[in-house]
Amino acid sequence: QVQLVESGGGVVQPGRSLRLSCAASGFTFSSFGMYWARQSPDKGLEWVAVIRYDGSNEYYVDSVKGRFTISRDNSKNTLYLQMNGLRAEDTAVYYCARERVSGAYSWFDPWGQGTLVTVSS
Amino acid sequence: DIQMTQSPSSLSASVGDRVTITCRASQSISSYINWYQQKPGKAPDLLIYAASTLQSGVPSRFSGSGSGTDFTLSISSLQPEDFATYYCQQSYNTPFTFGPGTRVDIK
Repeated sequence: QVQLVESGGGVVQPGRSLRLSCAASGFTFSSFGMYWARQSPDKGLEWVAVIRYDGSNEYYVDSVKGRFTISRDNSKNTLYLQMNGLRAEDTAVYYCARERVSGAYSWFDPWGQGTLVTVSS
Repeated sequence: DIQMTQSPSSLSASVGDRVTITCRASQSISSYINWYQQKPGKAPDLLIYAASTLQSGVPSRFSGSGSGTDFTLSISSLQPEDFATYYCQQSYNTPFTFGPGTRVDIK
C-alpha cells in the first residue's frame, strides 16, 4: 500500500541545520508532486513547500524561503527537506504528503506519520 | 495569502447527531477546498476534495458543499470514530493555507 515514512527529526539549537527525509513506497514516486507541511500548537497546520514530480519547480511559504530547500531523489524514492538557520518558531511536527491532482484541483493524500523537530538552546 | 477561518472552533455532540462545520475563505476560491480529519497523535486523513468529492473509502455520512468563500462539512449521523479535529484547506493558490481546525468532542 502507499506509505510515506519521515525521518531525521530531533532537537537542534537555533541557527543550526537539519535534513528531513521521507521514504516513499507503494506507488510510482517519480510521477507525483510532493509536499512538506508542519504542525505546531501555536500556528496549527502550515503548508511549507512543494516540489513537482520531476524536481523542476519548487515553491515555499514565505517564512522558510531562503532557509529551507525541498528536493527529491527519484532513483531512491525519497523526498528531502534541508532546513538551515533554524529558529524556535520552526519547532513542529513535519509531515510529507503526496500531491494528488484532478484537473486544476489538488490535495494531499496520503500523509506520513510525521517527525518532530524541536529548535531549542 | 488566503486566510481560512472555521467555526465553531470546537463542539460537543452525541452519537447519531448531525454535525455541520463551516469554513470561510478571505477571498473567493471557487471550489478549491479540501477537508481533512485528524485524530490525536496521527497525521491528517483526506475526507473530501474539490469541495464536495468524497475520497474513496470515506463513509457516505460525510459530505461537503459550498463555493466561492463559504463552505460546509457535514456529518449526517455522528459515529464514535468521528470524534476528531477537522481542517479545511484551500488549494486555489500557494501557500495552500489551512483553517485552524474544529474539534468534535463527545457530549
